[in-house]
Amino acid sequence: KNQVEQSPQSLIILEGKNCTLQCNYTVSPFSNLRWYKQDTGRGPVSLTIMTFSENTKSNGRYTATLDADTKQSSLHITASQLSDSASYICVVILKTSYDKVIFGPGTSLSVIP
Amino acid sequence: EAGVAQSPRYKIIEKRQSVAFWCNPISGHATLYWYQQILGQGPKLLIQFQNNGVVDDSQLPKDRFSAERLKGVDSTLKIQPAKLEDSAVYLCASSFSSEQYFGPGTRLTVT
Repeated sequence: KNQVEQSPQSLIILEGKNCTLQCNYTVSPFSNLRWYKQDTGRGPVSLTIMTFSENTKSNGRYTATLDADTKQSSLHITASQLSDSASYICVVILKTSYDKVIFGPGTSLSVIP
Repeated sequence: EAGVAQSPRYKIIEKRQSVAFWCNPISGHATLYWYQQILGQGPKLLIQFQNNGVVDDSQLPKDRFSAERLKGVDSTLKIQPAKLEDSAVYLCASSFSSEQYFGPGTRLTVT
Protein backbone atom coordinates (compact mmCIF):
# COMPACT_ATOMS: atom_id res chain seq x y z
CA LYS A 1 0.00 0.00 0.00
CA ASN A 2 1.37 3.42 -0.96
CA GLN A 3 1.76 5.35 2.26
CA VAL A 4 3.66 8.35 3.66
CA GLU A 5 4.27 8.67 7.39
CA GLN A 6 5.69 11.62 9.28
CA SER A 7 7.12 12.14 12.72
CA PRO A 8 6.77 13.74 15.11
CA GLN A 9 3.10 14.65 14.82
CA SER A 10 3.82 17.95 16.55
CA LEU A 11 6.85 19.78 17.84
CA ILE A 12 7.50 22.86 19.96
CA ILE A 13 10.93 24.52 19.88
CA LEU A 14 12.47 27.75 21.08
CA GLU A 15 13.25 30.48 18.58
CA GLY A 16 16.78 30.13 17.27
CA LYS A 17 16.98 26.38 17.79
CA ASN A 18 17.33 23.78 15.05
CA CYS A 19 14.95 20.90 14.42
CA THR A 20 14.57 17.89 12.14
CA LEU A 21 11.34 16.45 10.80
CA GLN A 22 11.13 12.89 9.50
CA CYS A 23 9.29 11.29 6.61
CA ASN A 24 9.10 7.57 5.80
CA TYR A 25 7.37 6.27 2.72
CA THR A 26 6.32 2.97 1.21
CA VAL A 27 5.65 4.16 -2.30
CA SER A 28 6.50 2.50 -5.56
CA PRO A 29 7.42 3.32 -8.22
CA PHE A 30 9.03 6.47 -6.83
CA SER A 31 9.35 9.62 -8.91
CA ASN A 32 10.16 12.45 -6.53
CA LEU A 33 9.65 13.70 -2.99
CA ARG A 34 8.58 17.17 -1.93
CA TRP A 35 8.37 19.08 1.31
CA TYR A 36 5.64 21.68 1.68
CA LYS A 37 5.07 24.36 4.30
CA GLN A 38 1.46 25.18 5.13
CA ASP A 39 0.72 28.25 7.20
CA THR A 40 -2.58 28.30 9.07
CA GLY A 41 -5.42 29.26 6.75
CA ARG A 42 -3.32 29.01 3.59
CA GLY A 43 -2.56 26.45 0.91
CA PRO A 44 0.73 24.48 1.02
CA VAL A 45 3.81 26.07 -0.52
CA SER A 46 6.65 24.00 -1.94
CA LEU A 47 10.00 24.11 -0.12
CA THR A 48 12.03 21.45 -1.95
CA ILE A 49 11.65 18.83 -4.67
CA MET A 50 14.04 15.86 -4.72
CA THR A 51 14.42 13.15 -7.33
CA PHE A 52 15.78 9.64 -6.83
CA SER A 53 19.38 10.65 -7.45
CA GLU A 54 19.45 13.65 -5.11
CA ASN A 55 20.61 13.20 -1.52
CA THR A 56 20.43 16.77 -0.25
CA LYS A 57 18.73 19.97 -1.30
CA SER A 58 18.68 23.30 0.48
CA ASN A 59 16.35 26.28 0.36
CA GLY A 60 17.65 28.96 2.69
CA ARG A 61 17.42 27.67 6.26
CA TYR A 62 15.63 24.52 5.09
CA THR A 63 17.68 21.45 4.13
CA ALA A 64 16.03 18.27 2.92
CA THR A 65 17.74 14.89 2.69
CA LEU A 66 16.64 11.78 0.87
CA ASP A 67 17.75 8.17 1.30
CA ALA A 68 16.04 6.29 -1.51
CA ASP A 69 17.38 2.94 -0.27
CA THR A 70 15.74 3.19 3.16
CA LYS A 71 12.85 5.31 1.80
CA GLN A 72 13.41 8.03 4.33
CA SER A 73 13.59 11.80 4.08
CA SER A 74 14.22 14.52 6.60
CA LEU A 75 13.71 18.27 6.68
CA HIS A 76 16.16 20.20 8.83
CA ILE A 77 15.35 23.74 9.87
CA THR A 78 18.27 25.84 11.05
CA ALA A 79 18.04 28.81 13.41
CA SER A 80 14.26 28.68 13.63
CA GLN A 81 12.17 31.81 13.47
CA LEU A 82 8.67 32.53 14.73
CA SER A 83 7.50 32.57 11.12
CA ASP A 84 8.53 28.92 10.77
CA SER A 85 5.48 27.97 12.85
CA ALA A 86 3.41 25.95 10.38
CA SER A 87 2.55 22.46 9.26
CA TYR A 88 5.26 20.71 7.22
CA ILE A 89 3.96 18.11 4.81
CA CYS A 90 5.98 15.40 3.06
CA VAL A 91 4.62 14.44 -0.37
CA VAL A 92 5.75 11.56 -2.57
CA ILE A 93 4.99 11.35 -6.27
CA LEU A 94 4.52 8.01 -7.98
CA LYS A 95 5.95 7.39 -11.42
CA THR A 96 2.86 6.35 -13.37
CA SER A 97 1.17 7.50 -16.54
CA TYR A 98 0.29 10.61 -14.58
CA ASP A 99 1.70 12.28 -11.43
CA LYS A 100 0.01 10.39 -8.58
CA VAL A 101 0.48 12.40 -5.40
CA ILE A 102 0.59 10.83 -1.91
CA PHE A 103 0.46 13.27 1.01
CA GLY A 104 1.76 12.62 4.49
CA PRO A 105 -0.27 13.77 7.53
CA GLY A 106 2.13 16.62 8.29
CA THR A 107 4.13 17.74 11.32
CA SER A 108 2.83 20.76 13.21
CA LEU A 109 5.75 22.97 14.27
CA SER A 110 5.42 25.73 16.83
CA VAL A 111 8.33 28.10 17.38
CA ILE A 112 8.04 30.03 20.62
CA PRO A 113 10.03 33.06 21.79
CA GLU B 1 2.12 35.51 -12.44
CA ALA B 2 -1.33 35.16 -10.90
CA GLY B 3 -1.80 32.24 -8.54
CA VAL B 4 -4.57 29.69 -8.22
CA ALA B 5 -7.83 31.43 -7.41
CA GLN B 6 -10.63 29.88 -5.39
CA SER B 7 -14.04 31.08 -4.31
CA PRO B 8 -15.75 31.41 -2.00
CA ARG B 9 -13.16 31.53 0.79
CA TYR B 10 -15.69 30.54 3.44
CA LYS B 11 -19.07 28.81 3.31
CA ILE B 12 -21.49 27.75 6.03
CA ILE B 13 -24.40 25.50 5.10
CA GLU B 14 -26.80 23.18 6.82
CA LYS B 15 -26.60 19.42 6.33
CA ARG B 16 -28.45 18.12 3.31
CA GLN B 17 -27.95 21.40 1.47
CA SER B 18 -25.81 21.63 -1.64
CA VAL B 19 -22.69 23.71 -2.22
CA ALA B 20 -20.32 24.46 -5.08
CA PHE B 21 -16.72 25.61 -5.11
CA TRP B 22 -14.90 27.25 -7.99
CA CYS B 23 -11.24 27.11 -8.99
CA ASN B 24 -9.31 29.03 -11.62
CA PRO B 25 -5.86 27.47 -12.10
CA ILE B 26 -2.69 29.19 -13.25
CA SER B 27 -2.85 29.87 -16.97
CA GLY B 28 -1.34 27.07 -19.01
CA HIS B 29 -1.40 24.47 -16.24
CA ALA B 30 -2.80 21.25 -17.66
CA THR B 31 -3.24 19.38 -14.39
CA LEU B 32 -5.78 20.41 -11.77
CA TYR B 33 -6.37 18.81 -8.40
CA TRP B 34 -9.09 19.05 -5.76
CA TYR B 35 -8.15 18.11 -2.20
CA GLN B 36 -10.10 17.81 1.02
CA GLN B 37 -8.19 18.75 4.16
CA ILE B 38 -9.75 17.99 7.51
CA LEU B 39 -8.37 19.93 10.47
CA GLY B 40 -5.09 18.46 11.69
CA GLN B 41 -4.64 16.16 8.70
CA GLY B 42 -2.81 16.30 5.40
CA PRO B 43 -4.71 16.98 2.18
CA LYS B 44 -6.59 14.05 0.66
CA LEU B 45 -6.91 13.93 -3.11
CA LEU B 46 -10.52 13.95 -4.30
CA ILE B 47 -10.04 14.25 -8.04
CA GLN B 48 -7.27 14.98 -10.53
CA PHE B 49 -7.81 16.33 -14.04
CA GLN B 50 -5.40 16.26 -16.95
CA ASN B 51 -6.74 19.00 -19.23
CA ASN B 52 -10.48 18.30 -19.07
CA GLY B 53 -10.19 14.54 -18.53
CA VAL B 54 -10.25 12.76 -15.17
CA VAL B 55 -7.12 10.72 -14.37
CA ASP B 56 -7.86 9.87 -10.72
CA ASP B 57 -11.14 10.08 -8.82
CA SER B 58 -10.66 6.95 -6.73
CA GLN B 59 -11.23 8.78 -3.43
CA LEU B 60 -14.14 10.94 -4.57
CA PRO B 61 -17.43 10.02 -2.80
CA LYS B 62 -19.33 9.88 -6.05
CA ASP B 63 -22.73 9.50 -4.43
CA ARG B 64 -22.53 13.11 -3.24
CA PHE B 65 -19.47 14.76 -4.79
CA SER B 66 -19.05 15.75 -8.41
CA ALA B 67 -16.50 17.82 -10.27
CA GLU B 68 -16.05 19.09 -13.76
CA ARG B 69 -13.44 21.00 -15.68
CA LEU B 70 -14.92 22.62 -18.70
CA LYS B 71 -12.60 23.43 -21.61
CA GLY B 72 -9.62 22.30 -19.53
CA VAL B 73 -9.44 25.55 -17.56
CA ASP B 74 -11.76 26.42 -14.64
CA SER B 75 -13.20 23.73 -12.43
CA THR B 76 -16.12 23.38 -10.05
CA LEU B 77 -16.55 20.92 -7.20
CA LYS B 78 -20.07 20.24 -5.94
CA ILE B 79 -21.40 18.50 -2.86
CA GLN B 80 -25.03 17.42 -2.83
CA PRO B 81 -26.30 16.71 -0.22
CA ALA B 82 -23.72 17.82 2.35
CA LYS B 83 -23.04 15.88 5.54
CA LEU B 84 -21.52 17.06 8.80
CA GLU B 85 -18.29 15.15 8.05
CA ASP B 86 -17.80 17.21 4.89
CA SER B 87 -16.69 20.14 7.08
CA ALA B 88 -13.14 20.77 5.88
CA VAL B 89 -10.96 23.01 3.76
CA TYR B 90 -11.20 22.28 0.04
CA LEU B 91 -7.96 23.03 -1.74
CA CYS B 92 -7.47 23.41 -5.46
CA ALA B 93 -4.02 23.05 -7.00
CA SER B 94 -2.63 23.16 -10.51
CA SER B 95 0.64 22.05 -12.07
CA PHE B 96 2.44 22.30 -15.39
CA SER B 97 5.34 19.90 -14.91
CA SER B 98 6.18 18.63 -11.45
CA GLU B 99 5.54 21.70 -9.30
CA GLN B 100 2.12 22.02 -7.66
CA TYR B 101 0.69 25.42 -6.83
CA PHE B 102 -2.12 25.62 -4.32
CA GLY B 103 -4.95 28.07 -3.96
CA PRO B 104 -5.95 29.53 -0.58
CA GLY B 105 -8.74 27.00 -0.10
CA THR B 106 -12.43 27.19 0.75
CA ARG B 107 -13.34 26.51 4.34
CA LEU B 108 -16.67 24.67 4.49
CA THR B 109 -18.64 24.33 7.70
CA VAL B 110 -21.68 22.05 7.67
CA THR B 111 -24.04 22.53 10.62
